[in-house]
Amino acid sequence: GAVVSQHPSRVICKSGTSVKIECRSLDFQATTMFWYRQFPKQSLMLMATSNEGSKATYEQGVEKDKFLINHASLTLSTLTVTSAHPEDSSFYICSARVASRTDTQYFGPGTRLTVL
Amino acid sequence: QKEVEQDPGPLSVPEGAIVSLNCTYSNSAFQYFMWYRQYSRKGPELLMYTYSSGNKEDGRFTAQVDKSSKYISLFIRDSQPSDSATYLCANKETSGSRLTFGEGTQLTVNP
Repeated sequence: GAVVSQHPSRVICKSGTSVKIECRSLDFQATTMFWYRQFPKQSLMLMATSNEGSKATYEQGVEKDKFLINHASLTLSTLTVTSAHPEDSSFYICSARVASRTDTQYFGPGTRLTVL
Repeated sequence: QKEVEQDPGPLSVPEGAIVSLNCTYSNSAFQYFMWYRQYSRKGPELLMYTYSSGNKEDGRFTAQVDKSSKYISLFIRDSQPSDSATYLCANKETSGSRLTFGEGTQLTVNP
């Protein structure tokens, strides 16, 4: 149980384009999902917390207009990187919290974004 | 000062060795303590979960939390090459949903 998927697993795009990443909880309902960013050999940096049906809460320093988050259902959250630039290249990981167990998170496999 | 400190390694051990991974933290409000394992280019996988102080054992893995010294440990017995990964400690306060991660320790178990 508690499986989280992400799509795509890898994406390469040109500078200036927008990229959408999907995060799905496959076998449970997730009232809260989280988006992280991870640079090589570094730990996870929380970007935003997403609650189903409401606006995401962004961490300090994360641009809301650049990283659009939508949590339209209890099993799906999307992260859209708008007007991507090479410095946005990173490993993006989502996680989901089981509604009945609020003390831990289950992570997706991650999406590697490369912006040329 | 980081809220959670973890030696990034790398740590290299022979197969069968006992591995000790550690984190220290400064936030007294942390009550939940987790260890995640992350293979290269994959998402973190929850390995161990502990609430408050104490020990927890699961197969070859043992997690220890000492809140008095703010010290967290993960022990791996009879280490295997498949244990080669980065191990991240993550802590959480009672309220809220934020996990605070350590930097991660890169472990290599040599056959």
